Amino acid sequence: EIVLTQSPGTLSVSPGERATLSCRASESIRRSYLSWYQHKPGQAPRLLIHGTSRATGIPDRFSASGSGTDFTLSISRVEPEDSAVYYCQQYGGSLYSFGPGTKVEIK
Amino acid sequence: QVQLQESGPGLVKPSETLSLTCTVSGGSIGTYYWSWIRQAPGKGLEWIAHIYKSGTTNYNPALKSRVSMSVDTSKSQFSLNLRSVTAADTGVYYCARIEYSDLSYFFDVWGRGALVTVSS
Repeated sequence: EIVLTQSPGTLSVSPGERATLSCRASESIRRSYLSWYQHKPGQAPRLLIHGTSRATGIPDRFSASGSGTDFTLSISRVEPEDSAVYYCQQYGGSLYSFGPGTKVEIK
Repeated sequence: QVQLQESGPGLVKPSETLSLTCTVSGGSIGTYYWSWIRQAPGKGLEWIAHIYKSGTTNYNPALKSRVSMSVDTSKSQFSLNLRSVTAADTGVYYCARIEYSDLSYFFDVWGRGALVTVSS
């Protein structure tokens, strides 16, 4: 079973700054197997990116990169509405797992 | 636009069975895999299980002994049963659609979630 870890646990950023969120897998996975979600309190999680492709309606300030065991979600210019918990998720062997999440706080 | 809606009891007694149904509207249930995901209070997301229209299922190994899913394509619904629940099963349960792209699967449409509390 592949385990995902995310860092930092909490990231505090000012509007307009860049946010970099990390997701590390316990073993190498294909880039396309890694997806990212945004989750705000009281709402359903929202798919942001699968592989390196943004989901429909996701602004281009969200981007993903990485390979092997290390992956990154970047928010180029953080906006107040980006306050949320961000999860990475992997698919492998017909099983799915999520990382523990990174909480993004806006200063 | 596809929408998902969870339904079921919000309170379940310990040792009993948690049962939830997800109704799919605005699209066909027949061409996708469908899934249940949950979030315990203060915790992250946990994948529970998925099902295809044929009834083919796959379960989280950690829950496999207690969980089952079924699908009713005529009603555009799929369901979750989780047996022998404890307080640790309390949380928000989401149903979600699984999309396939570039050899990978991910959750592209989610329901709003159903809060289930396990308590006597």
